[in-house]
Amino acid sequence: ETGVTQSPTHLIKTRGQQVTLRCSSQSGHNTVSWYQQALGQGPQFIFQYYREEENGRGNFPPRFSGLQFPNYSSELNVNALELDDSALYLCASSLDSGDEQYFGPGTRLTVT
Amino acid sequence: GENVEQHPSTLSVQEGDSAVIKCTYSDSASNYFPWYKQELGKRPQLIIDTRSNVGEKKDQRIAVTLNKTAKHFSLHITETQPEDSAVYFCAARGRGGGADGLTFGKGTHLIIQP
Repeated sequence: ETGVTQSPTHLIKTRGQQVTLRCSSQSGHNTVSWYQQALGQGPQFIFQYYREEENGRGNFPPRFSGLQFPNYSSELNVNALELDDSALYLCASSLDSGDEQYFGPGTRLTVT
Repeated sequence: GENVEQHPSTLSVQEGDSAVIKCTYSDSASNYFPWYKQELGKRPQLIIDTRSNVGEKKDQRIAVTLNKTAKHFSLHITETQPEDSAVYFCAARGRGGGADGLTFGKGTHLIIQP
């Protein structure tokens, strides 16, 4: 198993609410990437944080935002939740931007 | 942006036989190609990867081949075992490095028949 952890494991929210998901990267890793995985699909890139700065973003609206802290842990925030936001949210840490990515166990978000 | 196509969506093979999963990518600037294995309810696990300066890479029973001209790469699993049953994803990343993120295929459900 990787040293990447995520919390919470599962979450149920109502449409319109806001949610914060957390990720602790593997020791020594300074880069965290976030992905959304819908049921039966491959993960889709949301954004990447490198040394506390967002340095890349996929095709997701601004209501998806994030943070990275000095210890390189990270948060994903989603505002104004929509039903289609229901998915498994995965974070992946890497030693440096551009290196191999190792995934955490994910947070299963259900929006009702 | 990058687009990755993966085939087949489901692959059933007899235990002990070989399995091949194929992917194509659209962005000729892509230079990193990892493969992930995801068992039901678990995290994607990196099993092998290759960069665009390597044509073939092996690790025990698994190998990846890359054809940059055709923008095509494949995963080969030999002597398949029941524990190989899982969903396999290919991915590609451009020269922007991590800032480009990984673009994944839709996955192949590999079933190993006893």
